[in-house]
Amino acid sequence: AQKITQTQPGMFVQEKEAVTLDCTYDTSDQSYGLFWYKQPSSGEMIFLIYQGSYDEQNATEGRYSLNFQKARKSANLVISASQLGDSAMYFCAMREGLVTGNQFYFGTGTSLTVIP
Amino acid sequence: NAGVTQTPKFQVLKTGQSMTLQCAQDMNHNSMYWYRQDPGMGLRLIYYSASEGTTDKGEVPNGYNVSRLNKREFSLRLESAAPSQTSVYFCASSERSLIPLHFGNGTRLTVT
Repeated sequence: AQKITQTQPGMFVQEKEAVTLDCTYDTSDQSYGLFWYKQPSSGEMIFLIYQGSYDEQNATEGRYSLNFQKARKSANLVISASQLGDSAMYFCAMREGLVTGNQFYFGTGTSLTVIP
Repeated sequence: NAGVTQTPKFQVLKTGQSMTLQCAQDMNHNSMYWYRQDPGMGLRLIYYSASEGTTDKGEVPNGYNVSRLNKREFSLRLESAAPSQTSVYFCASSERSLIPLHFGNGTRLTVT
């Protein structure tokens, strides 16, 4: 079974609108971390936001927020007030067993295009 | 503040040639990783090293070997390159805590 599933290969959003990128995960661990990365066309991987499995509040970082629904095993990324520079690939990732685990699992990514 | 440095940035190999991708980090991280990225496949883990002196296979280790030379350096070797190894390779590092992976800028490898 896939550890991380991103079901939206491509998304379009109008500039200044909000957009939600979906991510579901699969783990039996109680302790895990969820991460979102941005990959612009230049290729580098940029860390955006993190959510721990025991965090009760949804994580926020500027215009990024993570809609964490533990029972549904979903960790959707919400980008508010989209900008042209947000056009990129977005990857959801999970790290299991934060004390002893070392593997990070990545989804297949969502390509976001912001339309002027 | 270099972070994670990968060399080379680009490489073209002929089938059967060998090469080593170099990676070094200056953040004193214990864990280091090698991923490959292919279109539509996301990032897949090749090998990782939880700490100096240890290495473990990831999801797609066949055709690769690694060496954790010291705490800073983690190299990936292709002994006999195949066209299926054409990909973008990323090195990354992390601590055993809640901080994310820090990535290098990638190596674009083409095997003809």
